[in-house]
Amino acid sequence: GAGVSQTPSNKVTEKGKYVELRCDPISGHTALYWYRQSLGQGPEFLIYFQGTGAADDSGLPNDRFFAVRPEGSVSTLKIQRTERGDSAVYLCASSFGQGGEGYDGYTFGSGTRLTVV
Amino acid sequence: AQSVTQPDIHITVSEGASLELRCNYSYGATPYLFWYVQSPGQGLQLLLKYFSGDTLVQGIKGFEAEFKRSQSSFNLRKPSVHWSDAAEYFCAVYGFIGTGTASKLTFGTGTRLQVTL
Repeated sequence: GAGVSQTPSNKVTEKGKYVELRCDPISGHTALYWYRQSLGQGPEFLIYFQGTGAADDSGLPNDRFFAVRPEGSVSTLKIQRTERGDSAVYLCASSFGQGGEGYDGYTFGSGTRLTVV
Repeated sequence: AQSVTQPDIHITVSEGASLELRCNYSYGATPYLFWYVQSPGQGLQLLLKYFSGDTLVQGIKGFEAEFKRSQSSFNLRKPSVHWSDAAEYFCAVYGFIGTGTASKLTFGTGTRLQVTL
């Protein structure tokens, strides 16, 4: 697609429920990232995919968080047993390759605002 | 420790005045440096980037930034601010920062710019 698409744009869920957040990256972008942005904070890294595999998941806060990218394109961030502290904007970004001359950084989606009540 | 710092949480300037937003980084090598802007309810948009070469880089919307190795800074500037520039601005460093095995973007906490008419 023309840009990074994230759905839904807003999600309200009850504490303890399971949620899935979807990210559709720019076509051809091999790298995909998930970030979490809490109110008044900068985005914080969660997980990075290169192709289908999670190359770095060091930012996932605990084992309630999981993400997949089975075909190397669309990714889903899954949160089990949601807690009120999970409320944040979840941002997805994609890029073509990693670093090097001409590297353009990431293209971000508009995010999914998750509210746990 | 490797980090990105934006010392100013909130800045207010009058329309037409000049602007400088501060960013300091701590990183072992010369990093890739970025400035992003985020308008309310929007994703992050890339303003400019620095990899190497000329330390003064030009970006979109009339913004520029200067890399100063001796000061570990990458401050964002604009000669004349427009009301539409009101937004949140994030400095980011691309590299191996924190835990994990992959280079990634690490963001500062952001500076909120308010423009008065």
